[in-house]
Amino acid sequence: DIQMTQSPASLSASLGETVSIECLASEGISNDLAWYQQKSGKSPQLLIYAASRLQDGVPSRFSGSGSGTRYSLKISGMQPEDEADYFCQQSYKYPLTFGSGTKLEIK
Amino acid sequence: EVQLQESGPGLVKPSQSLSLTCSVTGYSITSNYWGWIRKFPGNKMEWMGYISYSGSTSYNPSLKSRISITRDTSKNQFFLQLNSVTTEDTATYYCARRNWVRYYFDYWGQGVMVTVSS
Repeated sequence: DIQMTQSPASLSASLGETVSIECLASEGISNDLAWYQQKSGKSPQLLIYAASRLQDGVPSRFSGSGSGTRYSLKISGMQPEDEADYFCQQSYKYPLTFGSGTKLEIK
Repeated sequence: EVQLQESGPGLVKPSQSLSLTCSVTGYSITSNYWGWIRKFPGNKMEWMGYISYSGSTSYNPSLKSRISITRDTSKNQFFLQLNSVTTEDTATYYCARRNWVRYYFDYWGQGVMVTVSS
C-alpha cells in the first residue's frame, strides 16, 4: 500500500496568513492526489484533485502543487471559514490511502 | 444535486455484522463508482471498497474476507456489510461517489458513527 505522510498534524494561523500543508507519498503517484476539507460535524469536501486542479466552487485562495512523492496545499490568506481538518488522498492506485490529517485553527 | 445519506444502527455488538445503507438522490448509481470510507477515532481514514456502475466490486485487501458491498438499483441505494466486527471497527462510516475517471471522491454523505461494544 502507498503510505501518505501528512504534516503538520496541527497548525494555527492568523486571519490573512498564508498556510501550507504537505503530504509525502511512499512512492511516486504521478500527481494523482486529492485534498479535502472537513469542518466539524460535516462531510469531507473535495478541494483539489490531480494535485493542482481546483474543484468547482472552491475559492481561489486554495491551491495545490507538487510532483513525484511530495505535494502541498496552500491557503493564501486564511479566512474564518477555513478553520477545519484537511487531509490528502492518493488517487493513483488501489487500495486508496489517506494522510493522517491536519487540524487548522485560527490563532 | 447529488446527495448521499448513510443510515444504519449506531451500536453493534462484537462478533456481529455491521450493515449500513447509502441512499443516493440526484444521480443514478448505475453510473460512476460508489464507495465506503471510514474514519477512526484519532482521524485515520480507510478506504473500504466500492461498487461500480455495473455492479462489480473492489475491496481493500485488509478487509477482503469480512466485507461485502451490494446495491439495489430500483431504490438507488447501495449497502455495506462488515462481518465479525470488533471494537477496532468503531468509526464514522461515509459513503461517497468516486469520480468516473480519477480515483477521488467528489460527493460524500454526512457519515454515521458506529460503535462496536457489548
